[in-house]
Amino acid sequence: NAGVTQTPKFRVLKTGQSMTLLCAQDMNHEYMYWYRQDPGMGLRLIHYSVGEGTTAKGEVPDGYNVSRLKKQNFLLGLESAAPSQTSVYFCASSYPGRRGNQPQHFGDGTRLSIL
Amino acid sequence: GEDVEQSLFLSVREGDSSVINCTYTDSSSTYLYWYKQEPGAGLQLLTYIFSNMDMKQDQRLTVLLNKKDKHLSLRIADTQTGDSAIYFCAESMIKAAGNKLTFGGGTRVLVKP
Repeated sequence: NAGVTQTPKFRVLKTGQSMTLLCAQDMNHEYMYWYRQDPGMGLRLIHYSVGEGTTAKGEVPDGYNVSRLKKQNFLLGLESAAPSQTSVYFCASSYPGRRGNQPQHFGDGTRLSIL
Repeated sequence: GEDVEQSLFLSVREGDSSVINCTYTDSSSTYLYWYKQEPGAGLQLLTYIFSNMDMKQDQRLTVLLNKKDKHLSLRIADTQTGDSAIYFCAESMIKAAGNKLTFGGGTRVLVKP
């Protein structure tokens, strides 16, 4: 049972470098999400997608871009990494459900450090 | 507005009950969730409650919802060392596109032998 898989698990970047985080889910979920987790702040939504080819901004979208070219994949890009983007990034997916009763399933996270 | 608050830390002795509290501000919340995060791992769904319920029990877990006070709690009976983790409450609102969740900051639970 793979569930939600994130790659890579760890990465160190220099300021100004770019990279892409990959999220893949095998549960045929329509909805996918990218969060960042910082100490004491819980999870904050960066971007999300309600279906293939669609994306929307979350709470903290600045400095990030996303793409959902295939239903099972959701990519998070950092065009020019900044130290403020040092964080743990989580991907999640869910069915649409009615009235929000479909829980989100999470990957194990990508730990990203920007020097 | 949306705001979910939790206390930062809870210490409990093995075998005792743990109670983790959460307050939220949006009265249109439909589902409220409890997630557990172990070190180095993602979030694992523990349980959830629909907003028209006031209690839900699932083995050692009891969720209480006081909708009037916008207060949610998670009680863990017979707490074990494996229950040491960070616990997040989250709310989902019917008006939120994409079933977005708003998370609290997490409560770190330390179980002492």
